[in-house]
Amino acid sequence: AQSVTQPDIHITVSEGASLELRCNYSYGATPYLFWYVQSPGQGLQLLLKYFSGDTLVQGIKGFEAEFKRSQSSFNLRKPSVHWSDAAEYFCAVGAKGDDKIIFGKGTRLHILP
Amino acid sequence: DAGVTQSPTHLIKTRGQQVTLRCSPKSGHDTVSWYQQALGQGPQFIFQYYEEEERQRGNFPDRFSGHQFPNYSSELNVNALLLGDSALYLCASSLSRGLNEQFFGPGTRLTVL
Repeated sequence: AQSVTQPDIHITVSEGASLELRCNYSYGATPYLFWYVQSPGQGLQLLLKYFSGDTLVQGIKGFEAEFKRSQSSFNLRKPSVHWSDAAEYFCAVGAKGDDKIIFGKGTRLHILP
Repeated sequence: DAGVTQSPTHLIKTRGQQVTLRCSPKSGHDTVSWYQQALGQGPQFIFQYYEEEERQRGNFPDRFSGHQFPNYSSELNVNALLLGDSALYLCASSLSRGLNEQFFGPGTRLTVL
C-alpha cells in the first residue's frame, strides 16, 4: 500500500541553523514526490516537487530536496532557516495516472530566536 | 489571477445535519480534488472531479458526495454528520486529469457538535 512516513512530529532549530526534514515513502511505481508547507490556519503551499530527472530539486523559499530511490527517501533541506519558516511541513507521494496524493502526518517546525 | 477559493471559511453543525462546502478552482484549471485534514493529521484524499464526473475516490463512506459544475467549480456534500467529520476540508485544483501540480485553497473548518 502507498504510504508516507515523516518520523519527526516536531523539530526545533535555531534561526540561521541548517534544517533537514525526513520523509520515507512506500510506493510500487515510480513516485511523484512533493513537499508542502502549511502555516497556521492556511491552506497548503507547494515548496517543490519531483517527477523525474535530476534527483536534487530546488524549490521556493530556499528549500531543496533529494530523491534517493535506494532509500525510498525524499528529505527536505534548507541551509539557513528564518523565523518565518516556522510551520507544518508535509511530504506527499503520488503517481502518473493516479489522481490522489498521499500525505504524511507532517512535521511541525519550531524556530528558536 | 485568483487562486483557489473556498466558502465558507468556518461552519458549525450538529450531528445528523447535512453540509455543503464550495470550491472555485484556480483560473484555467478543470480538475478539483477534495481532502479532509483532521487535527494533527495530514490531508486525506476524498475524491477528484473532472469533466463533471467523480474520477477517483478515497476511503470515505457514501455520506460524502460531490458535484462539479460546467464552470469547473465544485461542491462537497456530507450527510448525516458525525463528530468525527470535524476537520479542515481542503479543495485543490489542477489542470487536466491525472497527477499534475495541485493548488490548494485555504480550506473550510467544519465543526460538528
